[in-house]
Amino acid sequence: GNSVTQMEGPVTLSEEAFLTINCTYTATGYPSLFWYVQYPGEGLQLLLKATKADDKGSNKGFEATYRKETTSFHLEKGSVQVSDSAVYFCALGPSGGSYIPTFGRGTSLIVHP
Amino acid sequence: DTGVSQDPRHKITKRGQNVTFRCDPISEHNRLYWYRQTLGQGPEFLTYFQNEAQLEKSRLLSDRFSAERPKGSFSTLEIQRTEQGDSAMYLCASSLTPAADTQYFGPGTRLTVL
Repeated sequence: GNSVTQMEGPVTLSEEAFLTINCTYTATGYPSLFWYVQYPGEGLQLLLKATKADDKGSNKGFEATYRKETTSFHLEKGSVQVSDSAVYFCALGPSGGSYIPTFGRGTSLIVHP
Repeated sequence: DTGVSQDPRHKITKRGQNVTFRCDPISEHNRLYWYRQTLGQGPEFLTYFQNEAQLEKSRLLSDRFSAERPKGSFSTLEIQRTEQGDSAMYLCASSLTPAADTQYFGPGTRLTVL
């Protein structure tokens, strides 16, 4: 079945630092790829997505590129803010005839002023 | 668009009791998912509906769990004879096919089994 591996957290950064959160996957077929974010006390919400190889998803200064050759979808941001502190989940859409989306275990980001 | 809503937001119950949770998806969304999330983990798939049809159910799901979506709108998730290991956040999400599978999540129901 499909699986997602995310880097362990927490990731602790100072404001304006560069962020990378690694995500690699195994999948049957060619699923869409997603990053969801969960702010404290809130539900998951879509941050960005990419639907095919070499697509770049972007939103709120975050970016991730669908890399089929390395089966990766790393999340990056050039300059983080305190308000970016949250848990970030990498996810695969359904593929290979299954209806089941697959989520990583999440990476907590803590940004200090 | 009022978003996905879930009720109740919190439920505390004693071991052995039955509980039922409700999810109201975004009105035009025909796909509905239930997940379970425990501390430090990502959402774990439980079951999936397309309209009123339950098309997929996790093999990990005990037969104490059942879900319905009788008219293709709201859905209920029932857990019978609850166990302490059922304590978790139960998430509902909906999506509109064929919009590249983006899911819209509700705030979740936190279940505590004493």
